[in-house]
Amino acid sequence: AQSVTQPDIHITVSEGASLELRCNYSYGATPYLFWYVQSPGQGLQLLLKYFSGDTLVQGIKGFEAEFKRSQSSFNLRKPSVHWSDAAEYFCAVGARTGGFKTIFGAGTRLFVKA
Amino acid sequence: GAVVSQHPSWVICKSGTSVKIECRSLDFQATTMFWYRQFPKQSLMLMATSNEGSKATYEQGVEKDKFLINHASLTLSTLTVTSAHPEDSSFYICSARDRVGANTEAFFGQGTRLTVV
Repeated sequence: AQSVTQPDIHITVSEGASLELRCNYSYGATPYLFWYVQSPGQGLQLLLKYFSGDTLVQGIKGFEAEFKRSQSSFNLRKPSVHWSDAAEYFCAVGARTGGFKTIFGAGTRLFVKA
Repeated sequence: GAVVSQHPSWVICKSGTSVKIECRSLDFQATTMFWYRQFPKQSLMLMATSNEGSKATYEQGVEKDKFLINHASLTLSTLTVTSAHPEDSSFYICSARDRVGANTEAFFGQGTRLTVV
């Protein structure tokens, strides 16, 4: 069974500063990896995904993530944060077999200060 | 793009009644759908995996008699919360995976907010 760890419950970043949200996973093989964003009271929006190939993945809204197999990590980055990026961010791991279920990390709340 | 629709978006029901939530894949066929539950300021917890034409697979700790899942067609799965109580109040989200293609993610519905009074 897969699991996901997001070690930071919340992070505060100044507008215009760079951002990195951490994600570590546990899975017996190379998993599917995802980052989602959720605004309060809203559903999920997929930022980016990794299935195979290039380990640096580009997503929407200027986000990118890098899959590092040796570290079992899939950290999310953005070079310059905007106030509208304030939200909850979830890292998720999808199994490649056995039902393909997706498990979510606990989430990281991003606060952006002016 | 792939669209998953949940209905209703929100529902208020009285304690002891049952509530049905629908999850539809609008432009693709889904042999597998997933149901999640999210409490305020918490993560999404997988409740069950719904397979078309067969019984759902429930995660440990989820009461299958309380959360009835039916996946009668390739485009529809339903979650029925039976004898609902205030502690069942939560945000329920479904996702559906396209039956075609290996490297595809599951697409999420917009969620249903259930309030039991």
